[in-house]
Amino acid sequence: DAKTTQPTSMDCAEGRAANLPCNHSTISGNEYVYWYRQIHSQGPQYIIHGLKNNETNEMASLIITEDRKSSTLILPHATLRDTAVYYCIVRVRNTDKLIFGTGTRLQVFP
Amino acid sequence: GAVVSQHPSWVICKSGTSVKIECRSLDFQATTMFWYRQFPKQSLMLMATSNEGSKATYEQGVEKDKFLINHASLTLSTLTVTSAHPEDSSFYICSAESGGTQPQHFGDGTRLSIL
Repeated sequence: DAKTTQPTSMDCAEGRAANLPCNHSTISGNEYVYWYRQIHSQGPQYIIHGLKNNETNEMASLIITEDRKSSTLILPHATLRDTAVYYCIVRVRNTDKLIFGTGTRLQVFP
Repeated sequence: GAVVSQHPSWVICKSGTSVKIECRSLDFQATTMFWYRQFPKQSLMLMATSNEGSKATYEQGVEKDKFLINHASLTLSTLTVTSAHPEDSSFYICSAESGGTQPQHFGDGTRLSIL
């Protein structure tokens, strides 16, 4: 599976958009980009995933560059409850193994 | 939808005890379940993958005789930590997926403390 690179930490003011970048320059054509987050002492929560088109759901938007070498997770109006570690993972759909990197620790402040 | 329940949420026991952790998919059938371990301030590490009715596939460095996995049905997998010792103290998390186009969904984890 391709590896991903994320910033170690980011801050965001409550109510503002949080934009979390992820580099996956070695992604293969059949690999999807998945985003999960882990709030302290809980299991990871699925957020969104995509292949090449931008995706949006009730939690977030996923913007994937045309060359698919990077993506951005957007939380449109961050709240204090969005404080968590966010993981960007690439894997081939319908196969096993989510390999977690170190993720980005997002701190939302009042 | 896509709820994964893990039980117990925390357990404290003496060294040498065996501990069983259950993972259930409540509203879907899980063709594959996964077990992860997470030490403080570290990321999740995959321990093993299990498919219903077959033997689990363990990651390199994970002792299969130490961490027994049973995936008896499409909604239940169990992880038994045998003869647990203090170094086995960790946060154990399961996940499940139904295959097809669905992502993995995770339980809330089990915090295991061995005294």
